[in-house]
Amino acid sequence: DIQMTQSPSSLSASVGDRVTITCQATQDISNYLNWYQQKPGKAPKLLIYGASSLETGVPSRFSGSGSGTDFTFTISSLQPEDIATYYCQHYNNLPRTFGGGTKVEIK
Amino acid sequence: EVQVLESGGGLVQPGGSLRLSCAASGFTFSSYAMSWVRQAPGKGLEWVSGISGSGGSTYYADSVKGRFTISRDNSKNTLYLQMNSLRAEDTAVYYCAKDRNPSTSWYYFNYWGQGTLVTVSS
Repeated sequence: DIQMTQSPSSLSASVGDRVTITCQATQDISNYLNWYQQKPGKAPKLLIYGASSLETGVPSRFSGSGSGTDFTFTISSLQPEDIATYYCQHYNNLPRTFGGGTKVEIK
Repeated sequence: EVQVLESGGGLVQPGGSLRLSCAASGFTFSSYAMSWVRQAPGKGLEWVSGISGSGGSTYYADSVKGRFTISRDNSKNTLYLQMNSLRAEDTAVYYCAKDRNPSTSWYYFNYWGQGTLVTVSS
């Protein structure tokens, strides 16, 4: 199985800050990588698919990049409503696996 | 409007069984692969099982293989997860999730239900 490692596991940033989360796969997954946002008590929400494609209706301050084994998720200007846990997920092969999550808090 | 709504969760003793349902609406159900994803309390996400739009292809995580069975009734727009021989480690919120695109299998999930809690405890 492909393991997905996210870092950091948590971070604290100020409103307006640029926030970056990384996700590393244990083998080459091309660009078969998604990012989800999960707010407390809610279901996950798809933000980015195919490593860099923004899901419809998602604000443009969210972006993703990378290919192969190393990926980056960025919030260009952190907003209070972005407080959540973010997960990466690959779909290169079976089983699909998720990263451990990154909890984003406001400083 | 696309909706997926899980039901069937609850408290069950170790070794017991439970069947989860996911009622879907607002899209052509038979055209989309569906998945079950679970989240243990305070933990991350785990993809448990997936089924193709026709129901002809299924997949199970090793952690549930041989104990869980995924199925769908496209005439009723409903997804199921039959869970047998339940263990304490199966305790989690179980989400039903829809593939974003038709005719893909478990690539990325653009609609999720609200989740149903399964608690395995004596």
